[in-house]
Amino acid sequence: AQKVTQAQTEISVVEKEDVTLDCVYETRDTTYYLFWYKQPPSGELVFLIRRNSFDEQNEISGRYSWNFQKSTSSFNFTITASQVVDSAVYFCALSDQNAGNMLTFGGGTRLMVKP
Amino acid sequence: DAGVIQSPRHEVTEMGQEVTLRCKPISGHNSLFWYRQTMMRGLELLIYFNNNVPIDDSGMPEDRFSAKMPNASFSTLKIQPSEPRDSAVYFCASKFGLETGANVLTFGAGSRLTVL
Repeated sequence: AQKVTQAQTEISVVEKEDVTLDCVYETRDTTYYLFWYKQPPSGELVFLIRRNSFDEQNEISGRYSWNFQKSTSSFNFTITASQVVDSAVYFCALSDQNAGNMLTFGGGTRLMVKP
Repeated sequence: DAGVIQSPRHEVTEMGQEVTLRCKPISGHNSLFWYRQTMMRGLELLIYFNNNVPIDDSGMPEDRFSAKMPNASFSTLKIQPSEPRDSAVYFCASKFGLETGANVLTFGAGSRLTVL
């Protein structure tokens, strides 16, 4: 069965610190997709990134970077030089064929960035 | 595109009342999903449609919950009768295609339901 675990329920950092949000997944499929979504205090869910299982290249987008490692079934998300506006709940999610390509979410990590 | 549109954004009702949540997916998207978010259970998939047909409703908690998609641009999630434990944020999401997990799911802003 597919499963996504975000062990960190809450993280608090001071502005300008770097922070890494962990995501560990389980799947029996060889083809799958991993996602990160952001949920700011306003409540909407905002798509950040998608990764397929055949592409292990790390990705950087501004202050955001993602580290995908199949060997450890992890897809971690790092925010460099965090800002107060980064405060949100971040969700990691998995989509695989075994589950009909449905999106399964982790429990989320609440990030609080203090000024 | 206006994105996925949900209404109402907030609903407060009393136990026993009927609640109807509405969703307009992104034009061209043929798959629609209803999720529920609570502190205890996180984000749960309730039901999803493909080409207006319900594919899997195994996540619907009880018979009190029902969902319809009469056409490609409109879906409803109904709770009758509502109970306090139904209090949650209900998200509607849509994407194009169901056969691949690659397509990104776009979420609406959510409907926050409070049942007193």
